[in-house]
Amino acid sequence: KNQVEQSPQSLIILEGKNCTLQCNYTVSPFSNLRWYKQDTGRGPVSLTIMTFSENTKSNGRYTATLDADTKQSSLHITASQLSDSASYICVVSAGDMRFGAGTRLTVKP
Amino acid sequence: NAGVTQTPKFQVLKTGQSMTLQCAQDMNHEYMSWYRQDPGMGLRLIHYSVGAGITDQGEVPNGYNVSRSTTEDFPLRLLSAAPSQTSVYFCASSYGAGASNEQFFGPGTRLTVL
Repeated sequence: KNQVEQSPQSLIILEGKNCTLQCNYTVSPFSNLRWYKQDTGRGPVSLTIMTFSENTKSNGRYTATLDADTKQSSLHITASQLSDSASYICVVSAGDMRFGAGTRLTVKP
Repeated sequence: NAGVTQTPKFQVLKTGQSMTLQCAQDMNHEYMSWYRQDPGMGLRLIHYSVGAGITDQGEVPNGYNVSRSTTEDFPLRLLSAAPSQTSVYFCASSYGAGASNEQFFGPGTRLTVL
């Protein structure tokens, strides 16, 4: 069983709408949690990183939250754009890195 | 800076053939790694290196070899390709091996083994 579970697997939203992606993990203890964006045919690119003591981190229209007690993280995208269409991957570091399978987001005009 | 580069971008092999996937970085990073990405699964670590001359196995090393003769290059060799090795392969590098170090990924190599 993967120690990092993401939901939903895929999501379609209209341009301009907001959305929230979920990441639940069982990795313990952990050093940090990152969200990556992976465009089709490209490698992942880091969006945010949070340590155990942080509970929110923003990067433009992207805001990540972390609840270390419940082992949950979310990535909120505000005012979506067509360029937000990508896979979003949650990665938990605990000595080694544990990757979630990702959420495939499609933003339609 | 070119960042992390990978060649080729696409490759088709027949079962039993061997090949080398190339990876290079120009950021003077000590840590380099290879992952495979399969549908419905997270990236899985194949091999990694913490510096020139040092390599180690990751989660799924069987069927793959690596070497690190220079800081810049980290090739991945498939010894005898099998259909189970059909995947997208990503090379990554970071300043160090610690969890706080951001990994920079290459564009990937899509490999099909027939």
